[in-house]
Amino acid sequence: DTAVSQTPKYLVTQMGNDKSIKCEQNLGHDTMYWYKQDSKKFLKIMFSYNNKELIINETVPNRFSPKSPDKAHLNLHINSLELGDSAVYFCASSPYSTGGTEAFFGQGTRLTVV
Amino acid sequence: AQTVTQSQPEMSVQEAETVTLSCTYDTSESDYYLFWYKQPPSRQMILVIRQEAYKQQNATENRFSVNFQKAAKSFSLKISDSQLGDAAMYFCAYRRNTGNQFYFGTGTSLTVIP
Repeated sequence: DTAVSQTPKYLVTQMGNDKSIKCEQNLGHDTMYWYKQDSKKFLKIMFSYNNKELIINETVPNRFSPKSPDKAHLNLHINSLELGDSAVYFCASSPYSTGGTEAFFGQGTRLTVV
Repeated sequence: AQTVTQSQPEMSVQEAETVTLSCTYDTSESDYYLFWYKQPPSRQMILVIRQEAYKQQNATENRFSVNFQKAAKSFSLKISDSQLGDAAMYFCAYRRNTGNQFYFGTGTSLTVIP
């Protein structure tokens, strides 16, 4: 029973295309995140939503647009893909305000832009 | 702003030996939580261990233990009796007691030598 699931696991696409990555969590958590992990394995926060409200929006090109239709889902849409967007994108969730609980991660989506 | 520093990009250990991974963090908060995550080649992020800042006792999970030095803002991970399956990237993470932002270190790549 997967706690945080994201699809697809792998995505290969050409420059200039638009693509989406979907994420769903069945843990009842209030908060969901998108992280980008680059080739050096650095994990960088991109966005965070709490109960469908955007609360963290790091310096990310506006080609990236998150959408949270409900608190169990957080999708990431990317317009006009560039070579530099190639990375692994992780969705995660956690309860809000209970600091002791860790973030639960999806299995990641490896995006390759060619 | 909180920062998390892992000063060892790579470490290696002989199978069955003990290794310690370092992590330091910067915060002005007194109440917070610290985590170690493991990322094996499968890229799944797996929680290894959690430490509450208000607890003086170091957390332990089987072969994994931490040395938490609050005054020094240090949170090292000790892996005893290292196994081949311990080979992975290890990330240190910090979370305030309130709010939902996680801060990750840059990771340490651990190699286990048979």
